[in-house]
Amino acid sequence: QVQLQESGPGLVKPSGTLSLTCVVSGDSITSGHWWSWVRQSPGKGLEWIGETYHTGTFNYNPSLKSRATITLDKSRNHLSLILTSVTAADTAVYYCARSLGFLEWFWDYWGQGHLVTVSS
Amino acid sequence: EIVLTQSPGTLSLSPGARATLSCRASQRVMNNHLAWYQQKPGQPPRLLIYAASNRATGVPDRFSGSGSGTDFSLTISSLEPEDFAVYFCLQYISLPRTFGQGSKVEVK
Repeated sequence: QVQLQESGPGLVKPSGTLSLTCVVSGDSITSGHWWSWVRQSPGKGLEWIGETYHTGTFNYNPSLKSRATITLDKSRNHLSLILTSVTAADTAVYYCARSLGFLEWFWDYWGQGHLVTVSS
Repeated sequence: EIVLTQSPGTLSLSPGARATLSCRASQRVMNNHLAWYQQKPGQPPRLLIYAASNRATGVPDRFSGSGSGTDFSLTISSLEPEDFAVYFCLQYISLPRTFGQGSKVEVK
């Protein structure tokens, strides 16, 4: 069974850097799927952050103005998200998720989500 | 960017009733690459429908999706107690991938 689990700090200071990790079990991140981050906040609803493939291909939401970076660690079978220059607007539950890729870009497996609050 | 608008915002129905939710896109969703998700409090979204009308594995057949182009709908033929939740549509063919704002189905 595929499982994803996010972890990281729950509190980040304004102008700081948010860093999250998602451990994948039951699947390999080099298996041919794409790996994504999605966030959810009361004000903005669900927002796609970006996605990456193990060959190094990636797509990001332009609304984040190049603040987001998603990386894969093949040795540890996990993905990471770094979001720089955070503000209160980045307060959200952050999810990692898997998609099948190539015209099937919807997500079939999700982590449970990790709440990150941006506050001093 | 494709903007998805869902209606109604809230639907108040009794168990056993039929629910129809709408998702309208600001531009054509190519090849009807639209999905529906269900979300309950404290849980991640759960995939129900993809490609507008295909049920995901394990989804009961009381859930059905339809539509094409810019107008899509999700129908729950007879509401079970576990179906009261928030439902989101997602277009996944264009970048950025975008969600609707959600429709809540609540107990009347």
